[in-house]
Amino acid sequence: SQQGEEDPQALSIQEGENATMNCSYKTSINNLQWYRQNSGRGLVHLILIRSNEREKHSGRLRVTLDTSKKSSSLLITASRAADTASYFCATDPRMDSSYKLIFGSGTRLLVRP
Amino acid sequence: EAGVAQSPRYKIIEKRQSVAFWCNPISGHATLYWYQQILGQGPKLLIQFQNNGVVDDSQLPKDRFSAERLKGVDSTLKIQPAKLEDSAVYLCASSLEGGETQYFGPGTRLLVL
Repeated sequence: SQQGEEDPQALSIQEGENATMNCSYKTSINNLQWYRQNSGRGLVHLILIRSNEREKHSGRLRVTLDTSKKSSSLLITASRAADTASYFCATDPRMDSSYKLIFGSGTRLLVRP
Repeated sequence: EAGVAQSPRYKIIEKRQSVAFWCNPISGHATLYWYQQILGQGPKLLIQFQNNGVVDDSQLPKDRFSAERLKGVDSTLKIQPAKLEDSAVYLCASSLEGGETQYFGPGTRLLVL
């Protein structure tokens, strides 16, 4: 079953604008991760935020996590055409001793030149 | 460092035929995952291996899907017989033992006619 739900499902912006994607999840987590998937390719890990963290930065990426609301957001600043991709949040529920990820349904981002 | 390798990249078969996918993880990665990604959805975990043992196969349709990881390195995923609804991208990922970040291969796109 899908744990996370991204919002919006699709987003179209102009190059240079900021893009914000949101993720909501259902159960307690140990960490939340964001992955990018270019068309026809595998997923690439972008950033990981732990349950005891509230905000994290990596280059043009900013991730926030609100465990009380079970939600996270991914902000891409100064977007580029190369950022066009699908973005997925994935949660590590840590229900047992194994590490596993449960992916959301993704946000399709289109950055227009 | 070489990434996760998968083959074939594309496969077209007719329903009721069988098909096999191959994955070679990143060297030294003890954990290997197979995901199914249906068009427009996020990846869904099918099976997780730790070395050559199965950690989680709760979402693997065992009446038609099988997977093995002999010698704890390469892995194969087989579907027999295939159904129309098996059309999807099959992604392989690997991680270090206890690693939280997963590294994905390019995937195998399967079309069942």
